[in-house]
Amino acid sequence: SQTIHQWPATLVQPVGSPLSLECTVEGTSNPNLYWYRQAAGRGLQLLFYSVGIGQISSEVPQNLSASRPQDRQFILSSKKLLLSDSGFYLCAWSGGYGPATQPQHFGDGTRLSIL
Amino acid sequence: KNQVEQSPQSLIILEGKNCTLQCNYTVSPFSNLRWYKQDTGRGPVSLTIMTFSENTKSNGRYTATLDADTKQSSLHITASQLSDSASYICVVSEGRGLSNFGNEKLTFGTGTRLTIIP
Repeated sequence: SQTIHQWPATLVQPVGSPLSLECTVEGTSNPNLYWYRQAAGRGLQLLFYSVGIGQISSEVPQNLSASRPQDRQFILSSKKLLLSDSGFYLCAWSGGYGPATQPQHFGDGTRLSIL
Repeated sequence: KNQVEQSPQSLIILEGKNCTLQCNYTVSPFSNLRWYKQDTGRGPVSLTIMTFSENTKSNGRYTATLDADTKQSSLHITASQLSDSASYICVVSEGRGLSNFGNEKLTFGTGTRLTIIP
């Protein structure tokens, strides 16, 4: 069966510090990978998605970047965090091919607090 | 602008009772509508996915309905249990044809926070 792992579960970082959140998927090949941010009282916002190694599409201009160095690894980074980067970050995967009705499977998220 | 609106924002019901959550959307073109359950501090878990031609879909005690003409969906929970306490999120996908290229446009609602009390 497929599983998705995110770490760390919680993170407290000072303003201006760098960030690296990691997500890995097991049990599937060529997944589509996604990074979302969920702010309190708001719907999930897609930040990045990737359909393959080294292929990253950005949905929202921001202080963050993403990379996919391996097929089942997705990394969210920042060189200098802002207060507005606080939030709940979710990684998700879906099947690479087939009908568009495939669900996205989410990890358990990282709660990021910027001080 | 594509939007998904859910109501109520929050709901409290007694264990064993039924409830219905609502979702209205303006996403076009429409591909499919999804309901997710999100426990506090966890990632969302898919409950149902419905395409244009499907009016209803069940997953255990969860039954989702879709009226594509009025652009409304509902999620009905039967015989609620304490473990049903969670946020329920309605998500609508734009029409992208038959292939999932990873860039499907999903619009997320802000969710309904459901609390089941004993």
